[in-house]
Amino acid sequence: DAKTTQPTSMDCAEGRAANLPCNHSTISGNEYVYWYRQIHSQGPQYIIHGLKNNETNEMASLIITEDRKSSTLILPHATLRDTAVYYCIVPLPQGAQKLVFGQGTRLTINP
Amino acid sequence: DTEVTQTPKHLVMGMTNKKSLKCEQHMGHRAMYWYKQKAKKPPELMFVYSYEKLSINESVPSRFSPECPNSSLLNLHLHALQPEDSALYLCASSQRVGIGNEQFFGPGTRLTVL
Repeated sequence: DAKTTQPTSMDCAEGRAANLPCNHSTISGNEYVYWYRQIHSQGPQYIIHGLKNNETNEMASLIITEDRKSSTLILPHATLRDTAVYYCIVPLPQGAQKLVFGQGTRLTINP
Repeated sequence: DTEVTQTPKHLVMGMTNKKSLKCEQHMGHRAMYWYKQKAKKPPELMFVYSYEKLSINESVPSRFSPECPNSSLLNLHLHALQPEDSALYLCASSQRVGIGNEQFFGPGTRLTVL
């Protein structure tokens, strides 16, 4: 898997946009960027994934730089329930989808 | 039904016990996974099943024995575990293996080995 680097922790005020960065400078051309999160005492939850273009779904937006060496996950209006560990993952493109979780970013949403 | 269920939620076992963890999904997914998560650490992949066949074993000790009796069910048989095997065991499923198939995770079984 391409190595990813994320900040250990971040804080965000409730109602504001939470922007979570991820560096994946060794990513190759056919490798996707995936984001999962894990709320305390729950299993991980898929958020979004993308290859080159920016992506948006009901949970978040994913902005990938043109050189694909970094990306940002955006939670547009963070709520207290968004407090979780967020994992940026670049799985191997071939074979099974092996998710190799790094340490992730612990996001705390403050009231 | 978009849920992955796992039973039991909690399990305490001795080192000589034999127990099993169960995972079930009814989303028609043909790939299922076992992960292990130690406290304050990220999940680590243990096994991958694709179309009921074991496709990946991440060098897991033989005291962990996975089984996929049908496309909806995944078991993890435990025997002669060690206290360091205490962890949260997570099951996941996806439509297929490969890119584009996001994984759906269950809530996990919290295992304590005494």
